[in-house]
Amino acid sequence: DGGITQSPKYLFRKEGQNVTLSCEQNLNHDAMYWYRQDPGQGLRLIYYSQIVNDFQKGDIAEGYSVSREKKESFPLTVTSAQKNPTAFYLCASRGQGNIQYFGAGTRLSVL
Amino acid sequence: GQSLEQPSEVTAVEGAIVQINCTYQTSGFYGLSWYQQHDGGAPTFLSYNALDGLEETGRFSSFLSRSDSYGYLLLQELQMKDSASYFCAVLWAGSYQLTFGKGTKLSVIP
Repeated sequence: DGGITQSPKYLFRKEGQNVTLSCEQNLNHDAMYWYRQDPGQGLRLIYYSQIVNDFQKGDIAEGYSVSREKKESFPLTVTSAQKNPTAFYLCASRGQGNIQYFGAGTRLSVL
Repeated sequence: GQSLEQPSEVTAVEGAIVQINCTYQTSGFYGLSWYQQHDGGAPTFLSYNALDGLEETGRFSSFLSRSDSYGYLLLQELQMKDSASYFCAVLWAGSYQLTFGKGTKLSVIP
């Protein structure tokens, strides 16, 4: 089945640690996105990539980094510089009609 | 700046009709989208308005008026499974980014 796969489902970060969230898609979409969602809030854009080897900062990129070495993969690293990382992280890709398709998300907490 | 305003919560009775409004203070966007998100789940696409007017998809309809900076999502024949959060989002020209509102939590009661 085609879709977006995010892993892990739950992740715990220790103080000063970098953690990487995985996002893989088999929809053959060029554009991919990372969002952060805090409780009771909308989605805020962290980074996006319109094509392989290219990515752009979104509204809240500080403390995060990404790479886009393959079309299928768009991993997000939450660095130690992100002082408030606890949130629900959603990855998406953009298909026909500019519809975004989302993965099931990764819930990140701080130990 | 870019901002979209939605009511934070709405309650409606099973079988009824509910309208969720979205007002915005921005311009230069391609269109207005609506997404549904159940608790703990992923957002899923519901509807998109590129032009002013009404778009109908089954029990769901969406409306856009650029002159009034206003849109809405209309849900008919409400079912318990429609209890979820609903987000409006503007699609930006060029970057194709989505900027989301904070969402409206819909509770459908018997």
